[in-house]
Amino acid sequence: DAKTTQPTSMDCAEGRAANLPCNHSTISGNEYVYWYRQIHSQGPQYIIHGLKNNETNEMASLIITEDRKSSTLILPHATLRDTAVYYCIVRVATGRQLTFGSGTQLTVLP
Amino acid sequence: GAGVSQTPSNKVTEKGKYVELRCDPISGHTALYWYRQSLGQGPEFLIYFQGTGAADDSGLPNDRFFAVRPEGSVSTLKIQRTERGDSAMYLCASSRDREGGYTFGSGTRLTVV
Repeated sequence: DAKTTQPTSMDCAEGRAANLPCNHSTISGNEYVYWYRQIHSQGPQYIIHGLKNNETNEMASLIITEDRKSSTLILPHATLRDTAVYYCIVRVATGRQLTFGSGTQLTVLP
Repeated sequence: GAGVSQTPSNKVTEKGKYVELRCDPISGHTALYWYRQSLGQGPEFLIYFQGTGAADDSGLPNDRFFAVRPEGSVSTLKIQRTERGDSAMYLCASSRDREGGYTFGSGTRLTVV
């Protein structure tokens, strides 16, 4: 699976949109982009995934660039409960495991 | 059940002892995964089950670690002759299929003293 690069940490004001970038310049055509988050002392939580098109669900939006070398996870109205480590992972759809990196520590500030 | 259940939530054991960690996946999820997470790091893959069989055990660190899933549902991760370096959060996840997202449990915090 392709490697991903994320900033170590980010801050966001409560109520504002949180935009978390991820670089995956070596992504292959059959690899999906997955996002998970992990709130302190809990197991990781699936957020969203996509292949080429932008995706949106009740939690977040995923914007993937046309060349697929990078993506952005958007939390439209961040709350204090969104403070967590966010992991961007690239994986083939038939891949059997997720490979987690170090992620981005997002801190939502009041 | 509604989510992935892991028991116990915390386990303290003495060096050299044997431990078993249990994972009860979401009903109907055929894929089950074990991960290990040390403080400040992302989860590391240990083993993946598809049904009853271990489809990929390449992440198990050594032969002291073993996992089973005899009936394709509940899984047990077994660690023999525990060492202090085994102290970590052990996470279990399940999924309905290979493409979709995983659902993780809350983990078992193992401390070897």
